[in-house]
Amino acid sequence: DAGITQSPRYKITETGRQVTLMCHQTWSHSYMFWYRQDLGHGLRLIYYSAAADITDKGEVPDGYVVSRSKTENFPLTLESATRSQTSVYFCASSGAGTGTRAFFGQGTRLTVV
Amino acid sequence: GQQLNQSPQSMFIQEGEDVSMNCTSSSIFNTWLWYKQDPGEGPVLLIALYKAGELTSNGRLTAQFGITRKDSFLNISASIPSDVGIYFCAGPAGGAQKLVFGQGTRLTINP
Repeated sequence: DAGITQSPRYKITETGRQVTLMCHQTWSHSYMFWYRQDLGHGLRLIYYSAAADITDKGEVPDGYVVSRSKTENFPLTLESATRSQTSVYFCASSGAGTGTRAFFGQGTRLTVV
Repeated sequence: GQQLNQSPQSMFIQEGEDVSMNCTSSSIFNTWLWYKQDPGEGPVLLIALYKAGELTSNGRLTAQFGITRKDSFLNISASIPSDVGIYFCAGPAGGAQKLVFGQGTRLTINP
């Protein structure tokens, strides 16, 4: 099905482990984004990408790494997970035909123990 | 950086009531977006506004782009149980199609 999908939907990991959250979109949107959602903070931008091989930091990038070798995929890696990274993570995309209207995946709920 | 302030932060209403919420910015926007997030799901775009004074409807939802370009309003008429969720406003945040989001208004409906 067309759209934007995230995997896994739920993940529990231990402090210090590396974990990668996946995001895949089928619209060929140029722009992709990673947000985290925490109570009291709304949605905060972690990293974004304007095209394949072009990425940049958002508001809260520390502790995260991204890559974008293909237009359709935008994985987010926590190199050494900390408890403060327990959150719900959302991937989103937008493109030339959408303007700033972004479309979101269903989210990944990550718990770091 | 840019900040969006949404109010109220939460609302508890009876089914059938009308709902009003708003969003204010510290800077001028040329676009306002309203999203709804159902429990356990990602935000879904409800309405997009592109011009000061614009009034746009989507079913029972109506949103307005404030004439100062620093605020926007969302109204829901005759609320029903499926309106429950968190409503977010959003606006452009410095290029590359980035968005900044308000903290959300959580709507709870008592049947």
